[in-house]
Amino acid sequence: ETGVTQSPTHLIKTRGQQVTLRCSSQSGHNTVSWYQQALGQGPQFIFQYYREEENGRGNFPPRFSGLQFPNYSSELNVNALELDDSALYLCASSPWTGEYNEQFFGPGTRLTVL
Amino acid sequence: QQPVQSPQAVILREGEDAVINCSSSKALYSVHWYRQKHGEAPVFLMILLKGGEQKGHDKISASFNEKKQQSSLYLTASQLSYSGTYFCGTELSQNAGNMLTFGGGTRLMVKP
Repeated sequence: ETGVTQSPTHLIKTRGQQVTLRCSSQSGHNTVSWYQQALGQGPQFIFQYYREEENGRGNFPPRFSGLQFPNYSSELNVNALELDDSALYLCASSPWTGEYNEQFFGPGTRLTVL
Repeated sequence: QQPVQSPQAVILREGEDAVINCSSSKALYSVHWYRQKHGEAPVFLMILLKGGEQKGHDKISASFNEKKQQSSLYLTASQLSYSGTYFCGTELSQNAGNMLTFGGGTRLMVKP
């Protein structure tokens, strides 16, 4: 069983640019959540996708957007990058079974905005 | 509202016990515990639900006091592999579905 994978591993961008981060969910998992983790802090929930629809959103501006594809993989897009967007971006997948299940996190993408 | 974790950091010798607390100012439906080692992804430890249901690994022990809006993670007979940062994630409603609000973390270091 393949775990959650993310690409790229590291990324350096400049302020104002746009970035796309990718996540392949674990086999059979139809729910993907994205989190932003600043250095030394806990992950902050950005949004969640379930069956290609945004299922919930945290306190992040609209320049953070996402997609989920029919194979349940997902993208996180960030427009007009700001210095504060520098962080580790984690995606987590889980099956939606009507009961609570553990989330499986990917290794993350480290984004640096200069 | 972000849950508050305490202590912020703890150092143990192998074999010692520790308790990590997670407190919320709002009523909680579920508390989720994860451990993250440096440079790695968070790994699931346990889910505790309002009403008493728990899901997690057999070697992990935790409690959820609904009235106090607090959860505690119990690490007994600590091993070197327990080192890492522990996060609690909370949900306020049953329909939140793993959309977690994480605390700031508790750094645990176990020394030989």
